[in-house]
Amino acid sequence: KAGVTQTPRYLIKTRGQQVTLSCSPISGHRSVSWYQQTPGQGLQFLFEYFSETQRNKGNFPGRFSGRQFSNSRSEMNVSTLELGDSALYLCASSLRGLAGTDTQYFGPGTRLTVL
Amino acid sequence: ELKVEQNPLFLSMQEGKNYTIYCNYSTTSDRLYWYRQDPGKSLESLFVLLSNGAVKQEGRLMASLDTKARLSTLHITAAVHDLSATYFCAVDFGNEKLTFGTGTRLTIIP
Repeated sequence: KAGVTQTPRYLIKTRGQQVTLSCSPISGHRSVSWYQQTPGQGLQFLFEYFSETQRNKGNFPGRFSGRQFSNSRSEMNVSTLELGDSALYLCASSLRGLAGTDTQYFGPGTRLTVL
Repeated sequence: ELKVEQNPLFLSMQEGKNYTIYCNYSTTSDRLYWYRQDPGKSLESLFVLLSNGAVKQEGRLMASLDTKARLSTLHITAAVHDLSATYFCAVDFGNEKLTFGTGTRLTIIP
């Protein structure tokens, strides 16, 4: 069974630009969660999507948004990039998501650098 | 405030020794997760603990949960080099989000 895939793996952008990251979950998984990992703030929950609906959201500004498609693939978008958005962005998939207490399987991450 | 604290933050231990990583959290929860992260890599799920007194074991790692003390432990038995990694605990406080601890960077030395 293929694991969670994320594209692109590395990205360099400049301040003010926007970026879209993609996550393909494990086949059959309907939940996709996104996390930001930085040295200063650690791992922080961004949002979770389940069956194309945002089920939960972390404490991030509105510049961070996401969506999920009917095939469970998910994208997250960050607009008006700031230097502090430089981070490793991880997505995780599971059958039912946190509501179902399932194990989450993480993708390899997208390393975003904002210059 | 919903907080998860791990200690120690850094741990250097000799091969063959035993040690414990502690994960304390601020308020009631009966859902706790342990993950492992190798340098430059993603997170790997180790254990899911879903009730008071839950104990899970895999190889040289054993995790337990005491919901009354709001404490989980990850015990390492007879450490080997392959266990060098950063270990995270994460708690679901009933809000269907995961709040992660700061991580414990474990280095096993010969």
